[in-house]
Amino acid sequence: DTAVSQTPKYLVTQMGNDKSIKCEQNLGHDTMYWYKQDSKKFLKIMFSYNNKELIINETVPNRFSPKSPDKAHLNLHINSLELGDSAVYFCASSQDGTGNFGNTIYFGEGSWLTVV
Amino acid sequence: AQTVTQSQPEMSVQEAETVTLSCTYDTSENNYYLFWYKQPPSRQMILVIRQEAYKQQNATENRFSVNFQKAAKSFSLKISDSQLGDTAMYFCAFMKGQGAQKLVFGQGTRLTINP
Repeated sequence: DTAVSQTPKYLVTQMGNDKSIKCEQNLGHDTMYWYKQDSKKFLKIMFSYNNKELIINETVPNRFSPKSPDKAHLNLHINSLELGDSAVYFCASSQDGTGNFGNTIYFGEGSWLTVV
Repeated sequence: AQTVTQSQPEMSVQEAETVTLSCTYDTSENNYYLFWYKQPPSRQMILVIRQEAYKQQNATENRFSVNFQKAAKSFSLKISDSQLGDTAMYFCAFMKGQGAQKLVFGQGTRLTINP
């Protein structure tokens, strides 16, 4: 069983469309994340949730809206897609991302979004 | 804000050789954690090794070991007896020890192991 799974793995869509990426983890972790990897391979955090509560919200356009229905799921919805949104989006999870634990963050396989 | 720098964009070695990837970081924190992640062509981000800043002993995982120099803020990864499967992008990452946890990544080093 995949520990952190995200769908779809590949997505090609037109500018202006709205799309969602879903993520699920079966590790029993409390904290989930979305990271973005751009065309130069640079990885940066976008959001993190702990037990369905938003705890990190980096400088991300309002067109990006995460939703966590329960602690095992964290979805990412993107409105009005732009060319610059083309990237690989990684979902990740850790045991507890709120304090002084340094828990290892485990990543999903990534969702490759291409906006044309 | 923390920054992580990997000064080697690309490296290439022969199979069975030893290779060292460098990483430096900048922080005013005293308590933090450091990680190396591997990203093969499949894109999966795989944890290679982690180091707690409060530990003086360098972490090791089989053929992978680190040289952690806290005063110099340096965290290099050594791969011994390199194998073709080690070909990947390698990312150094920093996590501070307090507050909401997140990884701050370096730019990555593309490592190629040649047969």
